[in-house]
Amino acid sequence: AQKVTQAQTEISVVEKEDVTLDCVYETRDTTYYLFWYKQPPSGELVFLIRRNSFDEQNEISGRYSWNFQKSTSSFNFTITASQVVDSAVYFCALSEVTEKLVFGKGTKLTVNP
Amino acid sequence: EAGVTQFPSHSVIEKGQTVTLRCDPISGHDNLYWYRRVMGKEIKFLLHFVKESKQDESGMPNNRFLAERTGGTYSTLKVQPAELEDSGVYFCASSLFGQVGAKYTEAFFGQGTRLTVV
Repeated sequence: AQKVTQAQTEISVVEKEDVTLDCVYETRDTTYYLFWYKQPPSGELVFLIRRNSFDEQNEISGRYSWNFQKSTSSFNFTITASQVVDSAVYFCALSEVTEKLVFGKGTKLTVNP
Repeated sequence: EAGVTQFPSHSVIEKGQTVTLRCDPISGHDNLYWYRRVMGKEIKFLLHFVKESKQDESGMPNNRFLAERTGGTYSTLKVQPAELEDSGVYFCASSLFGQVGAKYTEAFFGQGTRLTVV
């Protein structure tokens, strides 16, 4: 069965701090995709990244970086030098062959000035 | 290019009434998905259309929910009759390709419809 666990319900940091959002997943498939989405106060889900199960390379995009480790079934997301605009709910998700996304419960990040 | 658009953004109805949610996907996207987030819980898959056909409706909670996608363009999700536990945020998403073959693209989500049943 597929499952995504985001153990951190809420995180609060001060601007310019680094913050890591944890994501642990469960799947029996060898082929799968992992995602992170951001939900700002406006409500829409904004795609951040997709990673397939055969590509364990870490990725960096500006202040965002992702660490994918199959050995621990984790796909963690780090924001470096956080900013107030990073405040949002962040969702980790998993997709197998069936295409539908299985989401974690989300982590609400608050970045205080 | 317009993104995924959902109407209405908010809806408050009484238990037993009918509500219809609408989703306009990104033009040209054959894949359309409905998801729902009940307060405090995960966002859960409801169903998936490929053009006008239902590819997977395993997440539909019961027969009070009816989704359609006539002509393979916009989709509607009707709840009839609504119950208190139907309250939540309903998201629609669309994607260009599915996972068949070598291409897979991310799903683009709308802003959601917040449904409150009182």
